[in-house]
Amino acid sequence: QKEVEQDPGPLSVPEGAIVSLNCTYSNSAFQYFMWYRQYSRKGPELLMYTYSSGNKEDGRFTAQVDKSSKYISLFIRDSQPSDSATYLCAMKGAGGTSYGKLTFGQGTILTVHP
Amino acid sequence: NAGVTQTPKFQVLKTGQSMTLQCAQDMNHNSMYWYRQDPGMGLRLIYYSASEGTTDKGEVPNGYNVSRLNKREFSLRLESAAPSQTSVYFCASSDADTNYGYTFGSGTRLTVV
Repeated sequence: QKEVEQDPGPLSVPEGAIVSLNCTYSNSAFQYFMWYRQYSRKGPELLMYTYSSGNKEDGRFTAQVDKSSKYISLFIRDSQPSDSATYLCAMKGAGGTSYGKLTFGQGTILTVHP
Repeated sequence: NAGVTQTPKFQVLKTGQSMTLQCAQDMNHNSMYWYRQDPGMGLRLIYYSASEGTTDKGEVPNGYNVSRLNKREFSLRLESAAPSQTSVYFCASSDADTNYGYTFGSGTRLTVV
């Protein structure tokens, strides 16, 4: 079983829809949670970052972490065609051998069509 | 532009050939990483270097070697390429003290025939 599970999709939605992307994880030591966005033929870029449980909002994007359920989500409101990309969740612990090293989900391919 | 620079961007190798993928960062980061990305597999860590002078194996190190040449540069070498090493390779860097994640390069698309 992978430490981080992410539904690879693909996910196709109409412009303006609310998108929900999710990851589950098994390692209770994870404390830092990130979402990366990767456009086709580009490297991943950091989109959102959260620490421990709770919500974080940035414009149309909201990241949620529920550590009790080992579940994280990324919501995209009013989705745009420019949001079409692969979204990867990533997480890390606070120290020890996992210090500094991220564990990634498989990535979800999202297409927003006009 | 500040960031992570990878060369080459594309490469085709024959089975058994060797090559080195180059990576350089200009953000004064301590830690650097090499990942491979394959469809349905996500990003898998090959090797990492927590700081200059140190390297460690990641999840899929077999068939690869690395060199942390200095603080800026971290190279990945394939000594005898195999078709299973056909992939997109990403280099990344981070400040070892940060929890804000990595800065990635734009990738090297490698095909081994």
